[in-house]
Amino acid sequence: NAGVTQTPKFQVLKTGQSMTLQCAQDMNHNSMYWYRQDPGMGLRLIYYSASEGTTDKGEVPNGYNVSRLNKREFSLRLESAAPSQTSVYFCASSERGGLNYGYTFGSGTRLTVV
Amino acid sequence: GEDVEQSLFLSVREGDSSVINCTYTDSSSTYLYWYKQEPGAGLQLLTYIFSNMDMKQDQRLTVLLNKKDKHLSLRIADTQTGDSAIYFCAESPSYSSASKIIFGSGTRLSIRP
Repeated sequence: NAGVTQTPKFQVLKTGQSMTLQCAQDMNHNSMYWYRQDPGMGLRLIYYSASEGTTDKGEVPNGYNVSRLNKREFSLRLESAAPSQTSVYFCASSERGGLNYGYTFGSGTRLTVV
Repeated sequence: GEDVEQSLFLSVREGDSSVINCTYTDSSSTYLYWYKQEPGAGLQLLTYIFSNMDMKQDQRLTVLLNKKDKHLSLRIADTQTGDSAIYFCAESPSYSSASKIIFGSGTRLSIRP
């Protein structure tokens, strides 16, 4: 049981380049989330998808777009990368809005924008 | 607004107890969580407590909730080197939300020999 799988694990981009971070879960979870983690700032929610077919902005959505391709997959796109987007990105999923079940996290994508 | 605060660092001696503290602001929070992040890995749910409970114990872990003061703590008994990690406190503000769990900034626990 793989849980939540993120690709790639590492990426270096030049300013202005675009890329898509992929996330897939095999637990039949309804809700999926994208967070970024920066030193001393904890995790900040970028976008989430409460269920297949819906997406909503989180705390820091600017510069990002998302697609909930199907129930399993939730991708995060950077259209024009900026150095401020250098961060570790985590995808997570939950069965029912993340209540007592909490989230299951992927292992992260470490992105550097130069 | 919603906010979760915790100290950034804690250092304890191996074999001692570790106590990690957290304060939160949303009194409507239904569940509160502790997550553990080991180096290079994602967050792993350690334990959670429902807001109508005062305490929850699970082996070496004890969670205490003071709802009046909006204070949550995690006690790790007999701390081992494998407990070195970042510990995140988190709250789930309401039932109706699609569930934006709010995370603190994490407490880095280091173990001294």
